[in-house]
Amino acid sequence: QKEVEQDPGPLSVPEGAIVSLNCTYSNSAFQYFMWYRQYSRKGPELLMYTYSSGNKEDGRFTAQVDKSSKYISLFIRDSQPSDSATYLCAVSYNTDKLIFGTGTRLQVFP
Amino acid sequence: EAGVAQSPRYKIIEKRQSVAFWCNPISGHATLYWYQQILGQGPKLLIQFQNNGVVDDSQLPKDRFSAERLKGVDSTLKIQPAKLEDSAVYLCASSLDRGKNTGELFFGEGSRLTVL
Repeated sequence: QKEVEQDPGPLSVPEGAIVSLNCTYSNSAFQYFMWYRQYSRKGPELLMYTYSSGNKEDGRFTAQVDKSSKYISLFIRDSQPSDSATYLCAVSYNTDKLIFGTGTRLQVFP
Repeated sequence: EAGVAQSPRYKIIEKRQSVAFWCNPISGHATLYWYQQILGQGPKLLIQFQNNGVVDDSQLPKDRFSAERLKGVDSTLKIQPAKLEDSAVYLCASSLDRGKNTGELFFGEGSRLTVL
């Protein structure tokens, strides 16, 4: 069983849609949960960071962690074509060594 | 502030040849990572340095991969001899310090390796 599972997509949505991206993880000892965004032929960049359970909001982005079900989500409101990228979830025991999911490719069309 | 610099951006080699990738992290970042990202997969950690010491190299195929970080700044990742399955993007990342960041790794643009 992989430590982090993520649907690779691709996910194609119209501009303005609400996007939901999800990951599941296997080890309840993970404490830190992150979402990275990766544009084509670029390195990943941190989008959202959450410690333990709960929600975190930043502009159009909301990250949720449900430790009871080992499920993490990223919601994008009012999606824009510039949001088209691959979204990688990552988990960690201590913010040091990150374990990434396979990434979900998102395309937002005008 | 300058980001993480990597070179070369692209490299094509034949199997059994050798290749080296170079990384210059963000100034002042003590921790440096090399990740391997195979097409369609997430990045996988190969090796992690704290200053010039190795913290974790458990997933580095040591029979063919080697890495060093002399003087705790620049780092080089070498593959010798290369195999077809080494075709991937090699990402270098840095962070301020172990255990004191917020999960934010700063990645370079990567070095894309194709092994024929």
